[in-house]
Amino acid sequence: GNSVTQMEGPVTLSEEAFLTINCTYTATGYPSLFWYVQYPGEGLQLLLKATKADDKGSNKGFEATYRKETTSFHLEKGSVQVSDSAVYFCALGISGGSYIPTFGRGTSLIVHP
Amino acid sequence: NAGVTQTPKFQVLKTGQSMTLQCAQDMNHNSMYWYRQDPGMGLRLIYYSASEGTTDKGEVPNGYNVSRLNKREFSLRLESAAPSQTSVYFCASSAAEGRNTIYFGEGSWLTVV
Repeated sequence: GNSVTQMEGPVTLSEEAFLTINCTYTATGYPSLFWYVQYPGEGLQLLLKATKADDKGSNKGFEATYRKETTSFHLEKGSVQVSDSAVYFCALGISGGSYIPTFGRGTSLIVHP
Repeated sequence: NAGVTQTPKFQVLKTGQSMTLQCAQDMNHNSMYWYRQDPGMGLRLIYYSASEGTTDKGEVPNGYNVSRLNKREFSLRLESAAPSQTSVYFCASSAAEGRNTIYFGEGSWLTVV
C-alpha cells in the first residue's frame, strides 16, 4: 500500500535558521507529492506540490524536490521566520483509481525570535 | 472565494446526544472527505465520497454516518456522541483524480462531555 513517513517533531529553530523536514514515501504507481501547512486554529492548505520525478515545488521560500531514486520529498527553507511556525504535512496522491490521499502524521515547527 | 465551508465551528455535546456537521464546497469537486485530527495522531480519514451518490468508509468510521446530499454538500452525523469523539473535524474536497490538491475547511472543534 501507499504510505508517507515524516520526521517526528517538534522541530525548534531560531529565526533565520535553515529548515529541513524529511519526508519519504512508498507508493504503487506514479504519485504526485505535496506539502501542506496548518497554521494554529486553521485547516490545512497547500504549500507546494510536484507531479513527477525531479520536479521542484516552491512557494513562500519553501522548496521540495521529488526524488524518485530515494523516494523522498524533503521540505527546505533557507531562513525561517516566526510566522512559519505551524504543522507541516507531507502527502501523496495516486492517479487512476485511488481518490484517497495519503498523509504523513505532521511535523510541528516552532520558530523562536 | 468561499472554498470549503463547514459548520459549526465549535460545539459542546453531552454524551449520547446527536449532531450533524455540515460541509459545502463551491469548487465543483467530485470527491469529498471527512477527517478527524487528534494530538499525536495526525489526520485520520472517517468517510469519503468519491462522487455524488457514493460514500465509503475510511480508517475510523465507527460511531459516524455520512450523507452526500448533492455534489456540493457532504454531512457527518454523530448518532450518539461519546467522549472519544472529542476532536477537531475537517471536511475537504478535491477534483476526482487522486493527484489533485485537497482543499480543507477551517475545522470544527467538537467536545463531548
